[in-house]
Amino acid sequence: DAAVTQKPRYLIKMKGQEAEMKCIPEKGHTAVFWYQQKQSKELKFLIYFQNQQPLDQIDMVKERFSAVCPSSSLCSLGIRTCEAEDSALYLCSSSRDRGRSTEVFFGKGTRLTVV
Amino acid sequence: GEKVEQHESTLSVREGDSAVINCTYTDTASSYFPWYKQEAGKSLHFVIDIRSNVDRKQSQRLIVLLDKKAKRFSLHITATQPEDSAIYFCAASMDTNTGKLTFGDGTVLTVKP
Repeated sequence: DAAVTQKPRYLIKMKGQEAEMKCIPEKGHTAVFWYQQKQSKELKFLIYFQNQQPLDQIDMVKERFSAVCPSSSLCSLGIRTCEAEDSALYLCSSSRDRGRSTEVFFGKGTRLTVV
Repeated sequence: GEKVEQHESTLSVREGDSAVINCTYTDTASSYFPWYKQEAGKSLHFVIDIRSNVDRKQSQRLIVLLDKKAKRFSLHITATQPEDSAIYFCAASMDTNTGKLTFGDGTVLTVKP
């Protein structure tokens, strides 16, 4: 079973609504990543947190998403105004640190549908 | 930035045969290459990885080969079983941040009984 917990598993929003999904990384992990996956295709990197600080993110996230990791035990990814193209599986992953150590664990994901 | 190309979008083999999935990458700085398996409706499950200091790694029926000169790596599944059927993703990252992965598009592997 995934050591990374994501909630909710499913989320349905109308266009224009706000969406929020949460991730609890594995205990002791300081690096947290969010990915977007559409239709079981490649995973697209969205944002990376190290020790609760966002260190890397793509432009789309800067413009339309909100993401925080206020504690090492809970992170969230939000979409301010949902669009149809945001429908996807959002996967959170964590690792012990960002260096050589480490295996990366993924959560089960939040499947967002924008109608 | 890094780009990872996964050459086989679909692969069908008979139970007991070997399956090979090939990936290439573009950034010579990439040094960590994991593989993930995703079953229908589920998340990614780590399968095996290889780092750039070796060119071969084996874990039971799984073998990963890395050719740094060609910037190519491959997953070999030997003695395939129906439960190996899934989507397999290759990925690449750098030692400085092994968790920030660039993924291939995935290969749908079907193992026929």
